[in-house]
Amino acid sequence: AQRVTQPEKLLSVFKGAPVELKCNYSYSGSPELFWYVQYSRQRLQLLLRHISRESIKGFTADLNKGETSFHLKKPFAQEEDSAMYYCALSGGGGGNKLTFGTGTQLKVEL
Amino acid sequence: NAGVTQTPKFQVLKTGQSMTLQCAQDMNHNSMYWYRQDPGMGLRLIYYSASEGTTDKGEVPNGYNVSRLNKREFSLRLESAAPSQTSVYFCASRDTGDQPQHFGDGTRLSIL
Repeated sequence: AQRVTQPEKLLSVFKGAPVELKCNYSYSGSPELFWYVQYSRQRLQLLLRHISRESIKGFTADLNKGETSFHLKKPFAQEEDSAMYYCALSGGGGGNKLTFGTGTQLKVEL
Repeated sequence: NAGVTQTPKFQVLKTGQSMTLQCAQDMNHNSMYWYRQDPGMGLRLIYYSASEGTTDKGEVPNGYNVSRLNKREFSLRLESAAPSQTSVYFCASRDTGDQPQHFGDGTRLSIL
C-alpha cells in the first residue's frame, strides 16, 4: 500500500525566513512524487514533480529514496507563499492514482 | 481553454436527497478522478476512470456512484445524501503517460 505523511498541519514562518515542508512516503516500488499547492479557495495546482527537477516560484524538492522523503524547500519565504501544500505520490498501475498527504498550511507572517 | 469544469460550485442538500455533481474536461484526457477534501484528511479518492468506458473504486467509494458518460464527462452521484458527505469535491483529469493531474475548482457540498 502507498502512503504519504505530512507531519505538520501548520507551519508558520516570517517573511524572508527559510521554509521546509516535510513529506515522507511509503511505497515498495519506484514512486513518482508531486507537490500541489492550493491558494485560498482556489483549485489545486501542480507546483512541481520530482522527475522534472526544476524550481518553481523558488521552491525545490529532492527525492531521497534512502529516507523516503520529498521535502519542499524555499530559501526565503514570501507573503504570497501562504497556502495549503499537499504532497502526493503516484505508484503507477491502473489509472495512475494519486495518494495525497493530509496537507500543510503554510502561513508567512510579515 | 477551460481545463476541468465542475458544476455546481455550491450546493446545500437535505439528508436523503439525491444529487449529481458534473465534471467535464476539454483537454482530451483519458483518465478522470473524483476526490473529496476534508479538514485534516487531505484529498481522498472516491472513484476514478482510467479510460472511457471504465470506472473503479478508490479509497472511499461508499455512498457514491459514478458515470463516465463519454471521454469528456465524469459525473458523481449521491443517491441518498448523508451529513458525513458534507465536503468539498474535486474532479481531476490526466493524459496518458507521464503527465500530472489537473484539477477543477471544486464543489462545496453541505448536507443538513
